[in-house]
Amino acid sequence: QKEVEQNSGPLSVPEGAIASLNCTYSDRGSQSFFWYRQYSGKSPELIMFIYSNGDKEDGRFTAQLNKASQYVSLLIRDSQPSDSATYLCAVNRDQAGTALIFGKGTTLSVSS
Amino acid sequence: NAGVMQNPRHLVRRRGQEARLRCSPMKGHSHVYWYRQLPEEGLKFMVYLQKENIIDESGMPKERFSAEFPKEGPSILRIQQVVRGDSAAYFCASSPRYDGEQFFGPGTRLTVL
Repeated sequence: QKEVEQNSGPLSVPEGAIASLNCTYSDRGSQSFFWYRQYSGKSPELIMFIYSNGDKEDGRFTAQLNKASQYVSLLIRDSQPSDSATYLCAVNRDQAGTALIFGKGTTLSVSS
Repeated sequence: NAGVMQNPRHLVRRRGQEARLRCSPMKGHSHVYWYRQLPEEGLKFMVYLQKENIIDESGMPKERFSAEFPKEGPSILRIQQVVRGDSAAYFCASSPRYDGEQFFGPGTRLTVL
């Protein structure tokens, strides 16, 4: 059973701090990794994707991938109250792509 | 530049009725995925379709559920003889290629009475 694991949280950080969200996956053949943000009652919104080992930065967001450790993380710099949401880690199910396997998500709370 | 569209946004059905959920992918996207999110659970893959073809239906229950993506018109997820356990949020996602980023629609919240 291929799995994606995340701490459910809640992860609480003060406004302006760095939030660090972590994810591990079980299938070494996975090639594509995604972070989605989901506000309560809304649909998932794609915020980052990464395919290669290392870091990828986009604005306040940085995704980090370590395939050897089967670990992917998301850093949010200068956290804002509007960042408060559930963050979903997703991994493609097999080497051919197609379906995504999602973790259950980490709830982030940013206090002002 | 319209995103993924789903309708209806909310659907109420009584046990035993049929539910039809529609999804129109983003312009230029020919790959459609359906996911289900049960209360307090994660998103689960159901089915992957391209125009006129079901590519992978390994996540879909064997009975009562079916999906299609005709040459013309939206993709449809059909649930026959709904039961209370079918109550969930059903999301459609589309992608421009088979291994590309997937963009989600607003979802259909199905409630079975």
